[in-house]
Amino acid sequence: DIQMTQSPSSLSASVGDRVTITCRASQSISWYLNWYQQKPGKAPKLLIYAASSLQSGVPSRFSGSGSGTDFTLTISSLQPEDVATYYCQQTYSTPYMYTFGQGTKLEIK
Amino acid sequence: QVQLVQSGAEVKKPGASVKVSCKASGYTFTSYDINWVRQATGQGLEWMGWMNPNSGNTGYAQKFQGRVTMTRNISISTAYMELSSLRSEDTAVYYCARGAPGTTPFDCWGQGTLVTVSS
Repeated sequence: DIQMTQSPSSLSASVGDRVTITCRASQSISWYLNWYQQKPGKAPKLLIYAASSLQSGVPSRFSGSGSGTDFTLTISSLQPEDVATYYCQQTYSTPYMYTFGQGTKLEIK
Repeated sequence: QVQLVQSGAEVKKPGASVKVSCKASGYTFTSYDINWVRQATGQGLEWMGWMNPNSGNTGYAQKFQGRVTMTRNISISTAYMELSSLRSEDTAVYYCARGAPGTTPFDCWGQGTLVTVSS
């Protein structure tokens, strides 16, 4: 199975900061990497798909990059409403055996 | 609008089974896979498996093989996830999520169903 490792597991940043979360796959997954945001008590929400494509309706301060095994989610200017846990997910495996990273909890300093 | 609405919370005893439903609306039910993901309290997301409503084909994570069954009723645009031989570690919120067939992301999620396993 493909393992996904996120870092850091938690971080605290100030409003307006640039925030970066990384995700590493245990083997190459090309660009089959998605990012989700989950707020407390809510279902996850798709932010970025195919490593760098912004889901419709998601603010442009969110961006994704990477391919192969190393990926990054960036928030260009942190806003209070961005407090959440962020998960990466690979959808490369065939037959379908999708896995999530362990999550990164983002808080405001 | 595209929506997935799940059934309500369940409380089950160890060894029992639970069946959670996920009703789709706002799109053609048979055109998208339904995936199931669970989340124990304070823990991360765990993918359980997928089902193609058109063919009925399924694929399950190895951890759940033999205990999980995913089915559908096309006439009412509803998918089901049944988990058997429940144990306390299965206490979690269970989500259904839509994805286009193939290696695609989950672009719509249900609201979640809390399943509590307790004696």
